[in-house]
Amino acid sequence: QSVLTQPPSVSGAPGQRVTISCTGSNSNIGAGYDVHWYQQLPGTAPKLLIYGNNNRPSGVPDRISGSKSGTSGSLTITGLQADDEADYYCQSYDNSLSGEVFGTGTKVTVL
Amino acid sequence: QVQLVESGGGVVQPGRSLRLSCAASGFTFSNSAMHWVRQAPGKGLEWMAVISYDGSNKYYADSVKGRFTISRDISKNTLYLQMNSLRPEDTAVYYCARDITIFGVAGHFDNWGQGTLVTVS
Repeated sequence: QSVLTQPPSVSGAPGQRVTISCTGSNSNIGAGYDVHWYQQLPGTAPKLLIYGNNNRPSGVPDRISGSKSGTSGSLTITGLQADDEADYYCQSYDNSLSGEVFGTGTKVTVL
Repeated sequence: QVQLVESGGGVVQPGRSLRLSCAASGFTFSNSAMHWVRQAPGKGLEWMAVISYDGSNKYYADSVKGRFTISRDISKNTLYLQMNSLRPEDTAVYYCARDITIFGVAGHFDNWGQGTLVTVS
């Protein structure tokens, strides 16, 4: 089972802002490990969206941002677009499990 | 550009073995740690295993420790996952992914393959 908790779903109208939370503990995010985010479009492999809490790889628009505070991270999408409909996963490292961990995943729906 | 291509998936009976491969190209394979991540049908992502750039360090998720073995052949630019004693709950799409670090600890995955489906039934 995942040790990082995300809301199962979030939704918004085109142009609106949505935020996805990723709640961990003192053995992962709270221990200082970075939070990373991936987008998975239906039927495709995950794609890196945010790394190192708030960094965007080349090609990811600046309307997508990330942050981290305490034992949680968050992903914000502003100016929501139809092609943002996807599943989103956070990822970090857990020192009690000695391995990478993923969030439970959040489905974003554009109304 | 970076390309990762998995192969070796298929239908296998419980208790049997299967070996997955991941052919890497477009980057210096020996400079990157590599991971296996799986996704059961309709479920989320689950990290499986990591191998360091030179193969000297390997770590596994508890769910596969002792049954799965990760390895790499630098000369063939290929990553492997040997899966033994397969169970129905191992049914998933298996992805290989490149880590941005050389040891694969507390990094992230900047490139993913397209995945290969393993069905244990």
